[in-house]
Amino acid sequence: NAGVMQNPRHLVRRRGQEARLRCSPMKGHSHVYWYRQLPEEGLKFMVYLQKENIIDESGMPKERFSAEFPKEGPSILRIQQVVRGDSAAYFCASSPLLKTGGKNEQFFGPGTRLTVL
Amino acid sequence: ELKVEQNPLFLSMQEGKNYTIYCNYSTTSDRLYWYRQDPGKSLESLFVLLSNGAVKQEGRLMASLDTKARLSTLHITAAVHDLSATYFCAVDALRSGYALNFGKGTSLLVTP
Repeated sequence: NAGVMQNPRHLVRRRGQEARLRCSPMKGHSHVYWYRQLPEEGLKFMVYLQKENIIDESGMPKERFSAEFPKEGPSILRIQQVVRGDSAAYFCASSPLLKTGGKNEQFFGPGTRLTVL
Repeated sequence: ELKVEQNPLFLSMQEGKNYTIYCNYSTTSDRLYWYRQDPGKSLESLFVLLSNGAVKQEGRLMASLDTKARLSTLHITAAVHDLSATYFCAVDALRSGYALNFGKGTSLLVTP
């Protein structure tokens, strides 16, 4: 069973360009989360999605950022008109069926390191 | 807002020594997670603690949870260089889908 896959692993963009980050969850996992990690910081929650639905986007900036998890294909985090402050590592995690009282463990992908010049 | 605080943030220790990393959180939570991250790498799950008094051990690492004190500890026994990494604790953020709130991480360096 392949783990969570993310691509690209490294992405360089100039200010004002668009960044598209992709995440394929583990097989059988229907819950996807995106987190952002700034240098020397812990991970910050951005958005939680299930297939075709955004469930919670409370951690995502209201402008320029969007996410989707279509019926077919990977989840995508899109950042429009990138600025230098968007430079960070973006991690995707997936989880199988969630249960009250269960482990609800999240498995993380290798991350995409975005650099904005 | 749920806050998760780890201390220390930086830890340099000699091989063979013991030490404890502390993780405090501000609101009741059902689950606490410990992850390890090597430089430039992703997060590796170490422990999931589900209940008050839970204790889990793997090799030289042992994690415990006290939900009443809202405190988890990660104890390192007889440290070796391979344990050098950043260790994060995280708790459910009380959001839908059990999204995680992370501490800032403890950067551990084990020296000869």
